[in-house]
Amino acid sequence: GAGVSQTPSNKVTEKGKYVELRCDPISGHTALYWYRQSLGQGPEFLIYFQGTGAADDSGLPNDRFFAVRPEGSVSTLKIQRTERGDSAMYLCASSLTATSGGTDTQYFGPGTRLTVL
Amino acid sequence: GQNIDQPTEMTATEGAIVQINCTYQTSGFNGLFWYQQHAGEAPTFLSYNVLDGLEEKGRFSSFLSRSKGYSYLLLKELQMKDSASYLCAVREGGSYIPTFGRGTSLIVHP
Repeated sequence: GAGVSQTPSNKVTEKGKYVELRCDPISGHTALYWYRQSLGQGPEFLIYFQGTGAADDSGLPNDRFFAVRPEGSVSTLKIQRTERGDSAMYLCASSLTATSGGTDTQYFGPGTRLTVL
Repeated sequence: GQNIDQPTEMTATEGAIVQINCTYQTSGFNGLFWYQQHAGEAPTFLSYNVLDGLEEKGRFSSFLSRSKGYSYLLLKELQMKDSASYLCAVREGGSYIPTFGRGTSLIVHP
């Protein structure tokens, strides 16, 4: 597709349930990032993939959060035993590659708004 | 870790110029990004600075001083559609991941 897509756009769930959020990056982008954004805050880093492997998962808040990218394209963020505090906008971004130098501009998807009741 | 500071909110008049400041403290520096984010939408890339000086791109310019840990985003000829949150993000040396500030909510009024 032309840009990063994320599904669903909105997800309402009950406390304790399991949810999956999907991200489809820009074709050809090898790097994929997940962020979480609460109202009035900037995006908070969760995890970053280079290809199929999670290169940095230091931002995942606890072991209820997990993400996969089995074929190096689409990624799924999985949250177990959801809590009300997990309610936020979950943003996915991709970049052509990821190096510690260079622009490596991240292109963001429209996000999934997760509400845990 | 990093500490990124931006004003929470600014207001300006249509047609005017506004400067949004960002200060940061980091153990190493490897690039600063500015993003625009309209309410309920994803951030969109505006600019990238890694060397000192001014980068101009149409109505938007971004300035960086590495020695001062300081950047600003300059918006000229403001339009109503420029009302949005402006996010400053800094990448530490050796890191792939930029850290975002809380953003500055800009309100442009007629």
